[in-house]
Amino acid sequence: DTAVSQTPKYLVTQMGNDKSIKCEQNLGHDTMYWYKQDSKKFLKIMFSYNNKELIINETVPNRFSPKSPDKAHLNLHINSLELGDSAVYFCASSPVVRDTQYFGPGTRLTVL
Amino acid sequence: AQSVTQLGSHVSVSEGALVLLRCNYSSSVPPYLFWYVQYPNQGLQLLLKYTSAATLVKGINGFEAEFKKSETSFHLTKPSAHMSDAAEYFCAVSNAGGTSYGKLTFGQGTILTVHP
Repeated sequence: DTAVSQTPKYLVTQMGNDKSIKCEQNLGHDTMYWYKQDSKKFLKIMFSYNNKELIINETVPNRFSPKSPDKAHLNLHINSLELGDSAVYFCASSPVVRDTQYFGPGTRLTVL
Repeated sequence: AQSVTQLGSHVSVSEGALVLLRCNYSSSVPPYLFWYVQYPNQGLQLLLKYTSAATLVKGINGFEAEFKKSETSFHLTKPSAHMSDAAEYFCAVSNAGGTSYGKLTFGQGTILTVHP
């Protein structure tokens, strides 16, 4: 009965590859988010979707593309991976915008 | 623009001692404020939140925080630390409007160590 789940938990890949991280929430929330936590544990928002519509798009390289097939899912696709993309990526959801955000367990991405 | 500053990247206390983790925020509009806790290799868990109701907010695991507008602070306290409180704590502020409505801006985190 996991509320916000992410797959995979760990992802190790080579520079230049393309990879995807999946996120699903079973809370019935309208809003979903992607955050990046760097090696210094600093958390920064990347994207937010409300009812499948993009509402926040921070200054993230075009290589990152979120996709929300429905309200319960928000996937993150990354093209041409770079060393600097190594981080922990967290998905979160909230009932509505500006409400409490519930976080997934994170996906640790390592780019070699 | 909104921002959060957590004073002290590391705080160390003895078991049973008072825990005080400091957070100051900057926001051009009345903020929503949050404290999250992150245990090693886990996601973030909400401890408590302030959304313009009572200024003293009680959360889980015996934590509480007080919103002080005049000091732009939202410090987290717990009267008596437990070994299980050892974790990293993040303060966050939520934007009220504009193009980044709803985005959480986090502080840099404070690692709490509890000694026996």
